[in-house]
Amino acid sequence: SQKIEQNSEALNIQEGKTATLTCNYTNYSPAYLQWYRQDPGRGPVFLLLIRENEKEKRKERLKVTFDTTLKQSLFHITASQPADSATYLCARNQAGTALIFGKGTTLSVSS
Amino acid sequence: DGGITQSPKYLFRKEGQNVTLSCEQNLNHDAMYWYRQDPGQGLRLIYYSQIVNDFQKGDIAEGYSVSREKKESFPLTVTSAQKNPTAFYLCASSIGAGNEQFFGPGTRLTVL
Repeated sequence: SQKIEQNSEALNIQEGKTATLTCNYTNYSPAYLQWYRQDPGRGPVFLLLIRENEKEKRKERLKVTFDTTLKQSLFHITASQPADSATYLCARNQAGTALIFGKGTTLSVSS
Repeated sequence: DGGITQSPKYLFRKEGQNVTLSCEQNLNHDAMYWYRQDPGQGLRLIYYSQIVNDFQKGDIAEGYSVSREKKESFPLTVTSAQKNPTAFYLCASSIGAGNEQFFGPGTRLTVL
């Protein structure tokens, strides 16, 4: 079965630094990967989608990469702020069915 | 405003009782989903529906049931057969399976 793994449960960084979160997948490459943000007690919010044939995608301070050789996606937040503190979820598609979500990485940005 | 709503936000039930969680969307999405979230477990798929009057089991469907009689609505029933029902339940919808998902605010169910 397809799996998606976010190896770090927690990441602590200082304000202004770049946060880098990792998402690894197994078996065949998904057509795309998605990243979501979830705040405590709330539903996740979609951030970015990157397709298999895209190496990199950017949105404001966010950047996502997709490396089919390493079977990995990296999610970067540049110039991080305390307001970026949240849990970030990676998800992969699976043909014809629902997304498969990772367990998430909780980012804490201290001022 | 377009969006997805869940009610209630908090729900308490006695053990052995069935309970139904509401999920409504006005985004005109074909696909809808139910997830359960426990601390440290991430999102686990309970059921999903890609079209009206059709639904499929997810990874943890045992003890749950759903219906999809209308495009806008996808209620989830937590039955007494579910051994550990206390959790945070999230409903989501998307244009189609695998597309960007829009989540509701969640329902926190506590079974006493």
